[in-house]
Amino acid sequence: DIQMTQSPSTLSASVGDRVTITCRASQSISSWLAWYQQKPGKAPKLLIYKASSLESGVPSRFSGSGSGTEFTLTISGLQPDDFATYYCQQYNSYPYSFGQGTKLEIK
Amino acid sequence: QVQLVESGGGVVQPGGSLRLSCTASGFAFSDYGMNWVRQAPGKGLEWAAFIRYDGSSKYYADSVKGRFTISRDNSKNTLYLQMNSLRAEDTAVYYCAKTSFYHDSSGVFDYWGQGTLVTVSS
Repeated sequence: DIQMTQSPSTLSASVGDRVTITCRASQSISSWLAWYQQKPGKAPKLLIYKASSLESGVPSRFSGSGSGTEFTLTISGLQPDDFATYYCQQYNSYPYSFGQGTKLEIK
Repeated sequence: QVQLVESGGGVVQPGGSLRLSCTASGFAFSDYGMNWVRQAPGKGLEWAAFIRYDGSSKYYADSVKGRFTISRDNSKNTLYLQMNSLRAEDTAVYYCAKTSFYHDSSGVFDYWGQGTLVTVSS
């Protein structure tokens, strides 16, 4: 099974900052990686798929990059609505797996 | 608009059974794979099961294999998760999630329900 590891687990930042979250896979997953945003008590929301493709309706300040085993999610110009928990997920092979999450907090 | 509405959650004793349902609307349900994803209280997301758009293929996480069964009724636009031999560690919010692409089995989940809480406790 493929293990997904995110870093950091918690990130403190201010409105307007540029932040990067890293996700590493235990083996190559090509570009079969998605990113989700989740707010407390709510379902996750798809942000990015195929490592760098922006889901329709998602603001362009969100971007993804990487391939193989190392991936990043970058948010450029943090907005108040962006403070949430972010998860990466591999869909290269079953069982699909998520990272443990990165909580983005207001500094 | 796409809507996924889960139901069937509740409190069940260890060893018991429960069947979750997810009623879909706003899209051609029979053309999309569907998934169950769960989240234990205060924890991260865990993918649990997938069923192909036509029901011909099913996949499970090791943690639920042999105990849970995913199924669908395309005539009723409804997804199911039959959960047997429930354990305390199955306590979680269970989300149904739609696969993003038409007739595709890739694990990109573009719409999620609001979730239903399953609590396994004596």
